[in-house]
Amino acid sequence: GEDVEQSLFLSVREGDSSVINCTYTDSSSTYLYWYKQEPGAGLQLLTYIFSNMDMKQDQRLTVLLNKKDKHLSLRIADTQTGDSAIYFCAESAKYSSASKIIFGSGTRLSIRP
Amino acid sequence: ETGVTQSPTHLIKTRGQQVTLRCSSQSGHNTVSWYQQALGQGPQFIFQYYREEENGRGNFPPRFSGLQFPNYSSELNVNALELDDSALYLCASSPGLADFTGELFFGEGSRLTVL
Repeated sequence: GEDVEQSLFLSVREGDSSVINCTYTDSSSTYLYWYKQEPGAGLQLLTYIFSNMDMKQDQRLTVLLNKKDKHLSLRIADTQTGDSAIYFCAESAKYSSASKIIFGSGTRLSIRP
Repeated sequence: ETGVTQSPTHLIKTRGQQVTLRCSSQSGHNTVSWYQQALGQGPQFIFQYYREEENGRGNFPPRFSGLQFPNYSSELNVNALELDDSALYLCASSPGLADFTGELFFGEGSRLTVL
């Protein structure tokens, strides 16, 4: 079945690194994603990783994929107050002929001074 | 480039009523997906439309239905509203199935409250 799990909350100090973890179940997923949702807004794709990659770096963001353990993580370096949001881990899935995205419940990242 | 727009942004209905939510996809996108996001949850896939046809459906009852128009805009209709239908309804467009990398472009959503 398809399921994506992640912890609900994370609190970090401004300037520290944030690490958000996620596990997924569908080993056939082609892509894995991190989406960001700010209050009152829709979701925005932060980054994605192809399933045959182990790591992807994009400025302050580092994505690590452990395919054996079906574990995905997002590291945000030098966390800023503007990074406060809900972060959703997601995987691609095929449903009939549709390509759909399965989302986790989201991790709320709060930044303390 | 115009992004994904949804209307209305907020609405309140009572149980048993019907609702229509509207979405204009991003310019150049021919695929629209609808998601339901209950409070404190991640978005749940309702269905996807590609070139005016339903292209896949999640675990939602038939009273959730949709349409896609020739200009690729879309509607989500929900009949016989129930309290549990209260949620943020998100529309997302994407360029097409052939080059689908999973980047969905989301609107800001329509928040439905059912009393």
